[in-house]
Amino acid sequence: AQTVTQSQPEMSVQEAETVTLSCTYDTSENNYYLFWYKQPPSRQMILVIRQEAYKQQNATENRFSVNFQKAAKSFSLKISDSQLGDTAMYFCAFGAGGTSYGKLTFGQGTILTVHP
Amino acid sequence: DADVTQTPRNRITKTGKRIMLECSQTKGHDRMYWYRQDPGLGLRLIYYSFDVKDINKGEISDGYSVSRQAQAKFSLSLESAIPNQTALYFCATSDGLRQVGYTFGSGTRLTVV
Repeated sequence: AQTVTQSQPEMSVQEAETVTLSCTYDTSENNYYLFWYKQPPSRQMILVIRQEAYKQQNATENRFSVNFQKAAKSFSLKISDSQLGDTAMYFCAFGAGGTSYGKLTFGQGTILTVHP
Repeated sequence: DADVTQTPRNRITKTGKRIMLECSQTKGHDRMYWYRQDPGLGLRLIYYSFDVKDINKGEISDGYSVSRQAQAKFSLSLESAIPNQTALYFCATSDGLRQVGYTFGSGTRLTVV
């Protein structure tokens, strides 16, 4: 079974600065996908970024980028030029291929607060 | 209209009552999921269904049951609610052809008193 660990329960950052959220995972799979989801106070779950394990290039979506270290099983999220609207809970998630295809395993979440 | 609709949005119920949480989707996806979210535990999978005739238990299925009434509808029932089932419940769907992540409903906040 896969496990996903987010070791930072809470983080804070000043507006316009950069923050990195950590995520590690454990798996014996070789084909898998990794995700970061954002949950603002509205509680809606919003996909931030997706990474395919077979791609060495780190995914980027505007101010959001990841540092994917496959050998270390690490998948951190970097938020540049932080904005007040980035305040949310962030979840890292793992999705395997093969017979488990489709199911996602989530980490515990990191609460990010952006201060003005 | 939302792609994935959950009802009710909030619900307070008493211990021992049966309650059903409903989920419908307009994405045309075959795969549907129920998760619960608890502080410090993240989201944990309760049940999932890869098509109308396929129902599977997740990691925390005890005390829950599900019904897949149609491709678009997937309901979660608590047969006899207990206080430790107080949580935020999410329904989600995914594409069976590509691992692109989930489309989530807006969640149901359930409180069992």
